[in-house]
Amino acid sequence: DTAVSQTPKYLVTQMGNDKSIKCEQNLGHDTMYWYKQDSKKFLKIMFSYNNKELIINETVPNRFSPKSPDKAHLNLHINSLELGDSAVYFCASSQSQRNTIYFGEGSWLTVV
Amino acid sequence: AQSVTQLDSQVPVFEEAPVELRCNYSSSVSVYLFWYVQYPNQGLQLLLKYLSGSTLVKGINGFEAEFNKSQTSFHLRKPSVHISDTAEYFCAVIENGNTGKLIFGQGTTLQVKP
Repeated sequence: DTAVSQTPKYLVTQMGNDKSIKCEQNLGHDTMYWYKQDSKKFLKIMFSYNNKELIINETVPNRFSPKSPDKAHLNLHINSLELGDSAVYFCASSQSQRNTIYFGEGSWLTVV
Repeated sequence: AQSVTQLDSQVPVFEEAPVELRCNYSSSVSVYLFWYVQYPNQGLQLLLKYLSGSTLVKGINGFEAEFNKSQTSFHLRKPSVHISDTAEYFCAVIENGNTGKLIFGQGTTLQVKP
């Protein structure tokens, strides 16, 4: 069983489109995250939710909107996609905000 | 502000040779330290972590790391590497008491040659 699963794994879309990436964790964790890995492989946190409450909101354009319907899910919706949004987006989870963070397999987003 | 520096962007090494991947961090408070591995086109997998206790921590796949508080380092080592260890390795830190915000280093590409 995959602990943190995200879909789709690969996504190619045109500029201006709106897309969503879904994430689910079956670890029973109360905290979930979205991280972005750019073309130089640099990883940076975007958002974090604890018990469905937004805890961390880094400097991310308003076009990015996370949604957490319950503790086990954290989806990422992106409006009006731009070329610069091309990256790998990682979902992750942990039990509380001070414990080990476990990552999903990543979603490779390419905007053309 | 905390930061993580991985001193080598690429480390080429021959199979069965030992390897050390270096990581230094800066923080004004105590930290938790992690090493993650990313195989080509795959996600991030936790190799090992230091939360407290013994400064020498052992992880999966024969890797180990040593926390050195005075030198603010957390270098990753393996006595004998395999071709399958070829991957990107990331050092990361969370400040104790922080809200789960992992700060990553730039990554080190380990290239194991036959």
